Parts: sequence; structure tokens; C-alpha cells
Amino acid sequence: AQTVTQSQPEMSVQEAETVTLSCTYDTSESDYYLFWYKQPPSRQMILVIRQEAYKQQNATENRFSVNFQKAAKSFSLKISDSQLGDAAMYFCAHLANNNDMRFGAGTRLTVKP
Amino acid sequence: EADIYQTPRYLVIGTGKKITLECSQTMGHDKMYWYQQDPGMELHLIHYSYGVNSTEKGDLSSESTVSRIRTEHFPLTLESARPSHTSQYLCASSEYRGGRYEQYFGPGTRLTVT
Repeated sequence: AQTVTQSQPEMSVQEAETVTLSCTYDTSESDYYLFWYKQPPSRQMILVIRQEAYKQQNATENRFSVNFQKAAKSFSLKISDSQLGDAAMYFCAHLANNNDMRFGAGTRLTVKP
Repeated sequence: EADIYQTPRYLVIGTGKKITLECSQTMGHDKMYWYQQDPGMELHLIHYSYGVNSTEKGDLSSESTVSRIRTEHFPLTLESARPSHTSQYLCASSEYRGGRYEQYFGPGTRLTVT
């Protein structure tokens, strides 16, 4: 089964600055999906960005972008121009072909004004 | 915005009570999931369903049970609640449409068993 590792339990960033959250995963498949989810204190899980493994181009959603390194099995999230509302737990997730979805342990992001 | 709902949002209940956590989605998704999450911790899959009359146990052993009689409804039941069941329970649904995989989460139910 695949595993997902987020090595940064906590990160902080100054408002308006850029921060990168790390995620690595282990899988034997060549085709899969990767996701970043955001969970604010209200605890509603929100999809931030998705990446299909067969696409070489890195996904981008406004201020959020990923650095997808398939050979290295790395999937980092970059948040540009950080805002106070970005403060949350961020979960990296891997979806296998059998629809088995695995999550990392999460990274708590603090945004300092 | 995702149309997936969970009730109740918060529940405090005494030991030994039977409880049912409701989850409904209006998107017509076949696949639905229940995750358990302790505060500040990762999510663990406890149940999933690939469609009506389909239910499977997830990675994390759970004393809860689920049913899937209708596509839109995936309730989770605890026959006899215990303090160890205190946790956040997140319901999700997913579908592969138009070349894209979509998974959406409900707002969660925070359960406290006293």
C-alpha cells in the first residue's frame, strides 16, 4: 500500500511571503492522483489543488502551486503571497488506482501578521 | 462548492448510548467514505462504500458499522458509545468525471463520549 510522508509538523510564514510545504510518497503505480487539502480551525476539509501523475506540468490554482517530481516521488505545495486565511492544517494525499486514498500526518501552517 | 452534509456537527453523549452519524450527498457519487481524525492528527479511513449495498472496512479498525441503502446516504452507527470513540468523524464522497477525480468532504461531526 502507498504511504504519504509530511516531514514538517509545523511551519510558519510571514504574511505576504512565500512558504513551501513538503510531501513525499511511496507507490508502485505509475498512474495516480495527488492532492493537497486544507483544514482550517473550523475543521472543514477543503481541496486546494490536485495533480494527475501522467501530467508533467505542475498544477496551479491562483496563489497555490505544486512542484511535482515524479521520479523523486515528491509533491510540495507552494503558497505565494501568504494571507492570514491560509493558516490551517494542510494534508497531502495520494489516490491509487484502486481508489485507496492515503493522507499524510499534516503540516500546521501559521501565518504571522 | 460540494454538496455533502453531516449531522450532527457536534454531539456529546454518555457511555453506552447508541448513536448514528448522518452523511448525505446530493452529487450522485457512488463512492463514499468515513474517516476518523483525532485533534491535530492525520485522517484514518474506517469505512468505505463503492455503491448501494457495498460496504468495506478501512485501515483503522473501528467498532462502528455503516450501511448504504441509498446512493446519497451513508450513515455510521455506534451501538454502544465509549470514551475511546471520542473523535472527529469526516464523511467524504468521490467520483471520476470528465477526466478528473473529485473527492469532497463533509463538515465533520465532533463526537465526545463522556
